[in-house]
Amino acid sequence: DTAVSQTPKYLVTQMGNDKSIKCEQNLGHDTMYWYKQDSKKFLKIMFSYNNKELIINETVPNRFSPKSPDKAHLNLHINSLELGDSAVYFCASSQVASGGANTQYFGPGTRLTVL
Amino acid sequence: QQQVKQSPQSLIVQKGGISIINCAYENTAFDYFPWYQQFPGKGPALLIAIRPDVSEKKEGRFTISFNKSAKQFSLHIMDSQPGDSATYFCAASKDDYKLSFGAGTTVTVRA
Repeated sequence: DTAVSQTPKYLVTQMGNDKSIKCEQNLGHDTMYWYKQDSKKFLKIMFSYNNKELIINETVPNRFSPKSPDKAHLNLHINSLELGDSAVYFCASSQVASGGANTQYFGPGTRLTVL
Repeated sequence: QQQVKQSPQSLIVQKGGISIINCAYENTAFDYFPWYQQFPGKGPALLIAIRPDVSEKKEGRFTISFNKSAKQFSLHIMDSQPGDSATYFCAASKDDYKLSFGAGTTVTVRA
């Protein structure tokens, strides 16, 4: 069973379109994340939800909107796509206990290409 | 600003050799230092992690060395194998939800 899954695996779209990426985790974790990995492989945190509550919201254009319908799902909706949005987007999850380790489990990634 | 600085950006090592990747941090509140391994086309996966109360942790051929006073930590891959060819990321966390990642090191092991 896949622990953290994302759909779609690949997404090719035109500038100006709106698209969504879905993420689901079956680990029972209460925290989920979205990362953007650029062409230089740098991993940048975008958002994090803990029990459906937004807890991390980095400097990200407001064209990006995360939505967490329940603690096992975290979706990412992107409006008015731009060329610079082309990247690999990773979903991750973790269960952070007080004083515990923040071990994050990553999904396989969604490669977004904006033409 | 990047809270964790990682070097080198890439390295090539012969099979059986030692790969060494270094990371430095500024925030003394960090208390958890994991290393992630990423293969092409895959998501990063936890490789090994250390807390600042120990100076070294070893798991198989992978060792983390931690120098709290210098605010540095490193990953050593002993007896490097072609299957170790991947991108390695160091990271740091301060008992909250956010992991600060280094820029990554691409390791190529030549047979």
